[in-house]
Amino acid sequence: GAGVSQSPSNKVTEKGKDVELRCDPISGHTALYWYRQSLGQGLEFLIYFQGNSAPDKSGLPSDRFSAERTGGSVSTLTIQRTQQEDSAVYLCASTLSVYSYEQYFGPGTRLTVT
Amino acid sequence: GNSVTQMEGPVTLSEEAFLTINCTYTATGYPSLFWYVQYPGEGLQLLLKATKADDKGSNKGFEATYRKETTSFHLEKGSVQVSDSAVYFCALKGSAGNQFYFGTGTSLTVIP
Repeated sequence: GAGVSQSPSNKVTEKGKDVELRCDPISGHTALYWYRQSLGQGLEFLIYFQGNSAPDKSGLPSDRFSAERTGGSVSTLTIQRTQQEDSAVYLCASTLSVYSYEQYFGPGTRLTVT
Repeated sequence: GNSVTQMEGPVTLSEEAFLTINCTYTATGYPSLFWYVQYPGEGLQLLLKATKADDKGSNKGFEATYRKETTSFHLEKGSVQVSDSAVYFCALKGSAGNQFYFGTGTSLTVIP
């Protein structure tokens, strides 16, 4: 079946602009995670959603970052007033539930802020 | 808190060489441990896991043993192939909470 998809695959934006990154999880997966991978760094947890529960936003680095998940499926990560330090690969992963061990990752969105 | 430290790369090996990638962790309670692999141009995928102390995870010839006494989960393979060239990430999931914690990744290149 279809895996996790993300769009766009690449995004170049000017400093100060807002961007939206999209994630389509595997159908039936109730948990969805967002990570950021900066050059030379590991995966930095940003936020996760589990079903209809309130999301865990503890990893969001500033209030410029927000995310939503509509209908328990597609998720959008929004970065407002982008800064150069936001340049990174943003990865989305889904799991059957938050109790699952295996995460299924999308290919990522490479964001470059100029 | 929870964290993972893994061996710095890049690592370059000849085909059929023995591979070890070191991974140590800090965690409260009894975490589950994982190795994920990212092949060129592909997304991360689970390679193997171990959910309790002394468990050995294995897949595709790779093995890792959950050592609580040394807080380690080193990845090993007896004879690497060119197709094993990838970036390998050690990760843990804490016994409390639902977050995963990843290491920085180790790039492996296997030359013929």
